[in-house]
Amino acid sequence: DQQVKQNSPSLSVQEGRISILNCDYTNSMFDYFLWYKKYPAEGPTFLISISSIKDKNEDGRFTVFLNKSAKHLSLHIVPSQPGDSAVYFCAATSITGTASKLTFGTGTRLQVTL
Amino acid sequence: DAMVIQNPRYQVTQFGKPVTLSCSQTLNHNVMYWYQQKSSQAPKLLFHYYDKDFNNEADTPDNFQSRRPNTSFCFLDIRSPGLGDAAMYLCATSSSGTANSPLHFGNGTRLTVT
Repeated sequence: DQQVKQNSPSLSVQEGRISILNCDYTNSMFDYFLWYKKYPAEGPTFLISISSIKDKNEDGRFTVFLNKSAKHLSLHIVPSQPGDSAVYFCAATSITGTASKLTFGTGTRLQVTL
Repeated sequence: DAMVIQNPRYQVTQFGKPVTLSCSQTLNHNVMYWYQQKSSQAPKLLFHYYDKDFNNEADTPDNFQSRRPNTSFCFLDIRSPGLGDAAMYLCATSSSGTANSPLHFGNGTRLTVT
């Protein structure tokens, strides 16, 4: 039973446009969410996080939105750049828990085209 | 640069032949993790150490063992690799192991079983 779902395996966006990556979760205990970015042949790197006490967190070109009632979060990248081409993993946990309880989604491959 | 280093990057082993993957870190983090990631799947936690305290996930096969001789190093031993163990193995660290302490991943070791 997948508790964190990224239903789009891939996404292609033109450079300069907005990229929107979606993530759904089923576990009501999840209240802390993270996005990791992974380039080929490299390990994932932490990108941005959000706590359930917020509905938005912004860091430069990256913004994460959280809709608790819908159990849905999204990562917006504006404007998209070719260097953003990577696999993006959504992850969720309980803030009172530990990082070992992090549940990952299967990832969305973003391709930013020229 | 402080980092998480995994060796080797690529490992080929024969069916049933023991293999050891290694991970070292210069971050001086207390917590170290081993994840298994198969193609198009979410990373799956195998076990983690909080300092010397070993924590095994309930569904981690007995075939998988780990050692952490000191803060900097952690090893993953696969006693009798099967074809189903072919995967990317990711080592990660966390400073505190809390949910809001991001994971720092190495670049992974891709294991092939022939």
